Amino acid sequence: AQSVTQLGSHVSVSEGALVLLRCNYSSSVPPYLFWYVQYPNQGLQLLLKYTSAATLVKGINGFEAEFKKSETSFHLTKPSAHMSDAAEYFCAVSDRGGATNKLIFGTGTLLAVQP
Amino acid sequence: KAGVTQTPRYLIKTRGQQVTLSCSPISGHRSVSWYQQTPGQGLQFLFEYFSETQRNKGNFPGRFSGRQFSNSRSEMNVSTLELGDSALYLCASSWTSGASTDTQYFGPGTRLTVL
Repeated sequence: AQSVTQLGSHVSVSEGALVLLRCNYSSSVPPYLFWYVQYPNQGLQLLLKYTSAATLVKGINGFEAEFKKSETSFHLTKPSAHMSDAAEYFCAVSDRGGATNKLIFGTGTLLAVQP
Repeated sequence: KAGVTQTPRYLIKTRGQQVTLSCSPISGHRSVSWYQQTPGQGLQFLFEYFSETQRNKGNFPGRFSGRQFSNSRSEMNVSTLELGDSALYLCASSWTSGASTDTQYFGPGTRLTVL
């Protein structure tokens, strides 16, 4: 079965510092991977997705993620944190080739940005 | 273009009652998925509908049901509410089902509180 593990339920960085949120996946086949962000009292917004086209994926708001098959990882990074990046971030995986949109989410990482 | 809308946004019910939540997808989208989000269990897939047919179902009891109408609007119903059903219920829509290039757009959710 597909699964994702997010290391660190809480991450705190200073404004302007590098943001690194970790995600490892478990899959018997190359997966489709996603990062979503959730602001308080809102739904989920897609930041970026990996669908086997390119291993380095660029998303919105300056975020990017690199798919590393050897490490089964899909970590999310941003060179310089902004106060507006404070939110909860979810890594997700879907079944490749399956006739379904079902997403399996990690437990989330709450990002705090200190001034 | 209007996003995914969910009604109502907030709902308070008592144990034993039933509730119906509504989701209107983005115009033209034919796939609607539902997720339950709780602090303890995180984001869990409930079910997906595509062209009025249930494509996939998560591991939830039969008290949770859903349907999709010909205009792609979807409803989910929870009967005999339990305290543990208190959660944020999120709906997501997309053009198709199972396509890697397709993006799922989430609504703001319905916050259900069971007393």
